[in-house]
Amino acid sequence: QQQVKQSPQSLIVQKGGISIINCAYENTAFDYFPWYQQFPGKGPALLIAIRPDVSEKKEGRFTISFNKSAKQFSLHIMDSQPGDSATYFCAASNNAGNMLTFGGGTRLMVKP
Amino acid sequence: SAVISQKPSRDICQRGTSLTIQCQVDSQVTMMFWYRQQPGQSLTLIATANQGSEATYESGFVIDKFPISRPNLTFSTLTVSNMSPEDSSIYLCSVGLTGTYEQYFGPGTRLTVT
Repeated sequence: QQQVKQSPQSLIVQKGGISIINCAYENTAFDYFPWYQQFPGKGPALLIAIRPDVSEKKEGRFTISFNKSAKQFSLHIMDSQPGDSATYFCAASNNAGNMLTFGGGTRLMVKP
Repeated sequence: SAVISQKPSRDICQRGTSLTIQCQVDSQVTMMFWYRQQPGQSLTLIATANQGSEATYESGFVIDKFPISRPNLTFSTLTVSNMSPEDSSIYLCSVGLTGTYEQYFGPGTRLTVT
């Protein structure tokens, strides 16, 4: 499977701070980039996603920034809350309904 | 979105036995996938479950070990055969909504092989 590289592996942020998770991909055919949030014992939940025709997408406190030329995208969580503590996965796909290639995951802890 | 259920939610199995995991979706979907997530790791695609034809397996996964059925557009099963402790993982099904890029995951089946 083509690679998607995610960093950092773990992240500790104070409540109210900004959490930033980065991903880089290799396959220029990828055209869909979702982020998933996974709590312990649960399946991954689709959080937010972006297509390469825009450079940024915002939904509430969650923003994806996308840099097509650098083949990188990132998730920003504003005003991070303890309830945001979870594992976050970036992913990429190259066709509607096609398989997802996942990054390695980032374990986020937001301290009260 | 889609509501996806999996059975069983967890199981503890003996080495050498087989377990069949069921995935049920609340609406008809074209694409269904099976993933494996080893403890503390990311998700790895096992196969795409195709309705009316054989599943498409990713490199490193074979039909004899992970047979998959897809009898209709709302249901699929994954069997983990001749299990060993290395098969201890979370097995997740996901569905791709027709005409969209979105994929939704079930709650997973936590398998422990002793």
